[in-house]
Amino acid sequence: AQSVTQPDIHITVSEGASLELRCNYSYGATPYLFWYVQSPGQGLQLLLKYFSGDTLVQGIKGFEAEFKRSQSSFNLRKPSVHWSDAAEYFCAVAAYDDYKLSFGAGTTVTVRA
Amino acid sequence: NAGVTQTPKFQVLKTGQSMTLQCAQDMNHEYMSWYRQDPGMGLRLIHYSVGAGITDQGEVPNGYNVSRSTTEDFPLRLLSAAPSQTSVYFCASTPTGGNQPQHFGDGTRLSIL
Repeated sequence: AQSVTQPDIHITVSEGASLELRCNYSYGATPYLFWYVQSPGQGLQLLLKYFSGDTLVQGIKGFEAEFKRSQSSFNLRKPSVHWSDAAEYFCAVAAYDDYKLSFGAGTTVTVRA
Repeated sequence: NAGVTQTPKFQVLKTGQSMTLQCAQDMNHEYMSWYRQDPGMGLRLIHYSVGAGITDQGEVPNGYNVSRSTTEDFPLRLLSAAPSQTSVYFCASTPTGGNQPQHFGDGTRLSIL
């Protein structure tokens, strides 16, 4: 079965600084990978997804992620964070042709002025 | 533009009470699922359904029951509520037959006293 590890529980970043959130997955074949964001008291919104092809994926709100098979990673990046990016971020993986998602524990991002 | 609708948004129960969390989607998605979200644990799959009349267990099914009589609705039943079921519950849906991400509802925040 697939699994996801998000090593960082909490990250604090200054507004305007760059952000990188780490995600490592465990799965024997090519996975389907996702990043979701959750604002306080809200549901989950999809930021971006990777199924195949180009390993650098662009998403909404200026986020991007890079799939690195050799490192089993799918790290999320944003060049310049805004105060509105303060939220909890979840990395998730699904097996090929399966719909069940396995989530990481999440990383909470705090943005300081 | 309703998407996935969950009701109620908040609920407090006493230990031993039963309750049904409602989930409805208007996108004609075949696949629906229920997750619970607990601090530090991300989201964990409770039950899922690949179409009307078909349900299966996820990672944490104990204490929960589901049915899928229509494509639109996927209710989650707590048979005898326990404090360990205090959580935030999310319903999600996605079309089958393609590489599509899941759409999440806004969640139901459930407290068991």
